[in-house]
Order: sequence, then structure tokens, then C-alpha cells
Amino acid sequence: KAGVTQTPRYLIKTRGQQVTLSCSPISGHRSVSWYQQTPGQGLQFLFEYFSETQRNKGNFPGRFSGRQFSNSRSEMNVSTLELGDSALYLCASSFNLWQPNTEAFFGQGTRLTVV
Amino acid sequence: GQQLNQSPQSMFIQEGEDVSMNCTSSSIFNTWLWYKQEPGEGPVLLIALYKAGELTSNGRLTAQFGITRKDSFLNISASIPSDVGIYFCAGLGDSNYQLIWGAGTKLIIKP
Repeated sequence: KAGVTQTPRYLIKTRGQQVTLSCSPISGHRSVSWYQQTPGQGLQFLFEYFSETQRNKGNFPGRFSGRQFSNSRSEMNVSTLELGDSALYLCASSFNLWQPNTEAFFGQGTRLTVV
Repeated sequence: GQQLNQSPQSMFIQEGEDVSMNCTSSSIFNTWLWYKQEPGEGPVLLIALYKAGELTSNGRLTAQFGITRKDSFLNISASIPSDVGIYFCAGLGDSNYQLIWGAGTKLIIKP
């Protein structure tokens, strides 16, 4: 069974540009969550999607957005990139976070560097 | 909102020593998850706990879901060099069905 796949693994962008990151969850999983992790920091929750609907959102500016497709694959977009957006962006897949006995599995992340 | 206090923040130990870390909250959780993260990689799920009082092992790792549902601990016995990394706890509560994360415990093994 394939794990969570995030693409690309590494990305370098210039300030002001926009970027789209992709996450393919484990087959059968319908819940996808996104996190931002800066060096030495914990996981900052961005948003969670289930069945193409955003169910939860963290405290990030509107420049951060996401969507989920009917096959559960998800994308997140960051517009007007700032230097502070440089981070490891992680995607977590679960069957349904809103059900009991649920586990979440992570991809390897996309390392975004803004220069 | 719900918060998790994870301690210690970091640990410097000798190879072969046992390690203990914990997470506490003022809120009740229904699920506790423990992860390990290595540099540049995503967190890997180590142990999942679903019932108060549950004690679960995974090799040299043992984790428990506190009776009050407000805490959990992770023990690593006889640490080895490959145990280095950052260990995170995460809890899933009743309210907003969002995983709440501890800040992590960085494990460093002294040569």
C-alpha cells in the first residue's frame, strides 16, 4: 500500500511569486491535513479537507489556500511569497479525522525556500 | 483552545539509558498519537492509543493513555543511536476534531 506522496520534495521560489504543492493521500483516505514546520519548530496547522470540503482552518493569512479533489488528492497554494514562508510543508492523510480510532500518516514533506 | 504541554523540550542521554517523555493537557482527549521525526522528513507514527489506561508497546517503545484522558507518556528503553530525532505527541479531542500537537522532545544521544 503506497504511502502519502508529496510533490515536489524541494522548491526554490522568489519573493512575490506563488507556489502550489501537491499531496496524494493513502488510498482510501479521505481526510488531508496540511502543516507548516519551520526549523526547530513544531507543527503549525494550516487546514484540513474531507470530501473536497475544508473542515478546519488554522491561523494563517489568506495567502495560504488549499483544495481537495474528488480523488482525495489535495493541493495547497501560497500566493505573494514572503521570506518567512520558507519551511517544510507537511501533508497528513487519514481515513477520517472526525471518526474515533483514527491515525494520521505523513508524507516526506515539501521543503520550500523563498529567496 | 486545546493545548498540549510536552516535556522535556530536549534530552541528552547516554546510549543504553531509558528515556521518558510526556504530554499533558487541561482538556480531555480521545486519541493520543506519538510520532518520531528525523531531519528533513515527515513525522512517522510510532504508537496510537485509543482508550484511557491503555498501555501499548512497539519494540523498545511503550506508551500509555492516562486514566484522566489528559495525559500520555512515551518510554524508550535501552536507547540506541538511531533513536535520535524529535518525538511529538498529538491528541484528538472532542471539540474541533483537529489534531493538537505538542512542541516536541528532541532526543540527543551523547557519544
